[in-house]
Amino acid sequence: DVQLVESGGGLVKPGGSLRLSCAASGFTFSSETMTWLRQAPGKGLEWISSITSDSIYIYYADSVKGRFTISRDDAKNSLFLQMNGLTAEDTAVYFCAREVTLYGSGTYFNAYAHWGPGSLVTVSS
Amino acid sequence: DILMTQSPSYLSASVGDRVTIPCRASQFISNFLNWYQQKPGKAPRLLIYGASNLQRGVPSRFSGNGSGTDFTLTITSLQPEDFATYYCQQSYAAPLFTFGGGTKVEI
Repeated sequence: DVQLVESGGGLVKPGGSLRLSCAASGFTFSSETMTWLRQAPGKGLEWISSITSDSIYIYYADSVKGRFTISRDDAKNSLFLQMNGLTAEDTAVYFCAREVTLYGSGTYFNAYAHWGPGSLVTVSS
Repeated sequence: DILMTQSPSYLSASVGDRVTIPCRASQFISNFLNWYQQKPGKAPRLLIYGASNLQRGVPSRFSGNGSGTDFTLTITSLQPEDFATYYCQQSYAAPLFTFGGGTKVEI
């Protein structure tokens, strides 16, 4: 079974840093595009960063560009998110997700088929 | 960026009802539209991909329809475990797969 488990969340002061980890199992991690998303309290879902296999392509949402860094360690089946310069607006549950390609209606589609349970990051003084 | 709009934000229903949840894209996305279900304190769960394809393990009372800019998720005969928030997501403009604001189905 596919499993994703985030860790590293917690309470941090404004301007501080935090590093999230996501441990993956049950699939060939090195072959997959992995993604971080977040959900602020009572709000909707926001894509924030993706990294393709072999770290060839890395993408960030404008809201985190220049402050957050996504990385992966394929030998340890792990995904990371280094978060610097945190503000109150970064308070959210952070999810890691596996992007899969699914076939239907005669073509292929991408979707987030597997998610971790999430890790809460609270930015407050 | 492609804006996804879900309205209403809340929808009242009863067990056994047929429920239709709309989603609109700000521009053409063909059928690159996914639907997720999220329960409080849990991660989202993929229900439908490619606008109308049922993800494995999802009950057949869920169905999706639409193409272009207008889409719907339909739940026939609502069950108690279906009370949740439903999000649409476009997968047309990689990698920024934007989500709608969600529709909460409540009693």
